[in-house]
Amino acid sequence: EAQVTQNPRYLITVTGKKLTVTCSQNMNHEYMSWYRQDPGLGLRQIYYSMNVEVTDKGDVPEGYKVSRKEKRNFPLILESPSPNQTSLYFCASSSTTTNEKLFFGSGTQLSVL
Amino acid sequence: AQTVTQSQPEMSVQEAETVTLSCTYDTSENNYYLFWYKQPPSRQMILVIRQEAYKQQNATENRFSVNFQKAAKSFSLKISDSQLGDTAMYFCAFMLYFGNEKLTFGTGTRLTIIP
Repeated sequence: EAQVTQNPRYLITVTGKKLTVTCSQNMNHEYMSWYRQDPGLGLRQIYYSMNVEVTDKGDVPEGYKVSRKEKRNFPLILESPSPNQTSLYFCASSSTTTNEKLFFGSGTQLSVL
Repeated sequence: AQTVTQSQPEMSVQEAETVTLSCTYDTSENNYYLFWYKQPPSRQMILVIRQEAYKQQNATENRFSVNFQKAAKSFSLKISDSQLGDTAMYFCAFMLYFGNEKLTFGTGTRLTIIP
């Protein structure tokens, strides 16, 4: 089954404790992206990657890092989380060659205390 | 930069009735896609419908249809014969045809279908 898998689905952590949210897709998609969703703000793009070893900032990249060492994986790293990063996070992927729809993961609800 | 505006934070409608969700956008580009996504309580993002800006014909998917007015930069979603399972948050989104695949989202409309 074609899917984007995010882990974990829920995460509670404390300020300053480094964490990684994993994202993996099984569709051989070139494009992957991270969004955060906050009430009243919709979804905003954090980082994106057009292919392996190619990443770029989205609209709200501060406090986040990403890497794209393999085509299927695109982890989101919070080196020193702060309470304002409490949010619902989505990973998404698509094929840039077929221009098909964006596939979303199931989301990760992060709470930083 | 592109912006998407959804001016109705919340709406409710009786089951089996028709409801229209509004969306306006701003762009100086001519080639783009518009989308409606549904987010039920499970939080999953589900694509409801997609419209290519170069197509004059409005997209339709079963009970869901859009009214795309390119000159007015308006993209409303009509849900006919609404069902309890339509209760969700609905997001309007914009993507450039030649770009980095980035979706620009509106702030969402929370739709409740009343039994």
